[in-house]
Amino acid sequence: GAGVSQSPSNKVTEKGKDVELRCDPISGHTALYWYRQSLGQGLEFLIYFQGNSAPDKSGLPSDRFSAERTGGSVSTLTIQRTQQEDSAVYLCASSLWMALTTGNEQFFGPGTRLTVL
Amino acid sequence: AQSVSQHNHHVILSEAASLELGCNYSYGGTVNLFWYVQYPGQHLQLLLKYFSGDPLVKGIKGFEAEFIKSKFSFNLRKPSVQWSDTAEYFCAVRGNNRLAFGKGNQVVVIP
Repeated sequence: GAGVSQSPSNKVTEKGKDVELRCDPISGHTALYWYRQSLGQGLEFLIYFQGNSAPDKSGLPSDRFSAERTGGSVSTLTIQRTQQEDSAVYLCASSLWMALTTGNEQFFGPGTRLTVL
Repeated sequence: AQSVSQHNHHVILSEAASLELGCNYSYGGTVNLFWYVQYPGQHLQLLLKYFSGDPLVKGIKGFEAEFIKSKFSFNLRKPSVQWSDTAEYFCAVRGNNRLAFGKGNQVVVIP
């Protein structure tokens, strides 16, 4: 079946502009995650959505970052007033309910490479 | 908060050599551990996982990992690597609704 898809695959923007990154999770997956992969920092957690619960935003690096998930499916990560340090690959992942007893894995999308000039 | 340490960030070895990548984690709760691989130009995919039961876990492509609770370790092994194993390997521990990843091991296998 279809995996996690993300768009765009590449985004080049100017410093100070806003960007929106989209994630389509695997159908039926209730949990959705955003991570950031940058040189020297590895993979960092940004935000987690589970069903209709309030999202866990504890990984967002600043208030310029926000995300929403509409209808429990598609998610959009928005970065306002982009800075050069925001340049990274933004990864989305989804999974079934993350009960510890089942060890459900996260399936990752191909990522969006963001370059801020 | 959970954290993961991976050592020897860059590894270069010849085909048929054995590979072992170290992973040490820090987390006080119930442990779920993962190894993900990222082949050149591809997205992250799961190699293997541990969440309970037998601490020796076998994954895809001949990889295995051993969970040693007393050492807080989850080292990845493959007895004989192939050129196609050239990739970046990430260890991760799950807790608090997220995965915490190590910095990764860049493995290059020379034909």
